Parts: sequence; structure tokens; C-alpha cells
Amino acid sequence: ETGVTQSPTHLIKTRGQQVTLRCSSQSGHNTVSWYQQALGQGPQFIFQYYREEENGRGNFPPRFSGLQFPNYSSELNVNALELDDSALYLCASSRVGDKNIQYFGAGTRLSVL
Amino acid sequence: QQQVKQSPQSLIVQKGGISIINCAYENTAFDYFPWYQQFPGKGPALLIAIRPDVSEKKEGRFTISFNKSAKQFSLHIMDSQPGDSATYFCAASAQLGGKLIFGQGTELSVKP
Repeated sequence: ETGVTQSPTHLIKTRGQQVTLRCSSQSGHNTVSWYQQALGQGPQFIFQYYREEENGRGNFPPRFSGLQFPNYSSELNVNALELDDSALYLCASSRVGDKNIQYFGAGTRLSVL
Repeated sequence: QQQVKQSPQSLIVQKGGISIINCAYENTAFDYFPWYQQFPGKGPALLIAIRPDVSEKKEGRFTISFNKSAKQFSLHIMDSQPGDSATYFCAASAQLGGKLIFGQGTELSVKP
């Protein structure tokens, strides 16, 4: 186990709705990254948070937003859900000393109908 | 330039055999190359990683070979076991940035 926990495990939403996914990072890790993994694909980087601020963003529209809290936990918010947002959303935590060494949670499976 | 190309897409190996998965990249700024193992319903688990100052790294049955001039790296799984059956992803990132660029994945099946 990586010590990274995500909730909920599964979620079903309808097109146009909004969703919030949550992540608790591994103890001692203060950097959180979010990834989207479509079925049969590799994870794609959404953004990273460090010191409660966005610290790097991938090719995702502004309706994907996030938060990081003082205890280093994090949220991913997606507004105006589209069918193509159906995917596994992964959270990964890392130490600021080496943000590349990332440990992933089990993910949240989001289905948009 | 940000892509990491992974092959093969799927691989079937007999128990005890060697599994080899290859990746290629274009961005010469990449300086960290991890491999992740993912089982169905689970998140990717860090398996082994290498930086470009060495050409090979071995951890147990897993070895990464790295060819900087060819911009290629590969994962070798020695004495493959049925429990190794999973999807394997290579990845790359640059300059401690923490943005991992993943390959498309290789579904490995080890037959008993």
C-alpha cells in the first residue's frame, strides 16, 4: 500500500453536472499530482499542487480545477461534465525534494452518462 | 516531443521466461525514467526507476536498460511469474518537475 487514499471509489454522474474527488497524500509528502487515465491508456497529467498552489498543468481545460489544503490533502473538481470525462482519476503524492518519485492511490472511477 | 512511445501493446510469456518491454522518447530534457506496474482496479505502483547517468539498474528480477544516445529504455523481467501478469507503463519527466509523461502501456500475461 502507498498510503495514498482516494474517495470515492466509484462515481456516476450525468453530463453537465459537477464532481469533486478527494485525495489524502502519504505521510510526509507535501506535493500532490492528479492524472486522468482513460480505459486502455496511460495516465495523463492534469495538474500538480504544492504549498496550496497550482504548480504545473497539463493540457486540460479550466473546468478542471483543484485545491490543496494545509494538511496536504487535495481535491479535484470538474465542472460541466462531458461524456469524455469518464475515466479513472488518479492522485499521486511526492516529497518536495523529488517530485518525480510519485506514489499513486487506487483512483476514483468516474462514469459520465 | 512530449510523447513516450511504448511497445509492444501486449506480451505473452511462458513462466520462467524473460519479458522485455521497450520505450522511446524524443525530449532530451527528460532525466527521470520510472516503470509502473498496474493491476486491474488498482493504481500504478512504482516498480523501478533510472536516471540517465547510468546505463542499467537492477532490482531483484527487474532490470532497466537505458540507451541515452538512442533515447530508448527498456524493462526486463527475468524468471517471469504468473503473478507478474499486469499492465506495465514506462514514464519520463524532466528536471524534478514532477510531470510524468506515460507510455500507452503493455499488457503482460505470463502463462503457467
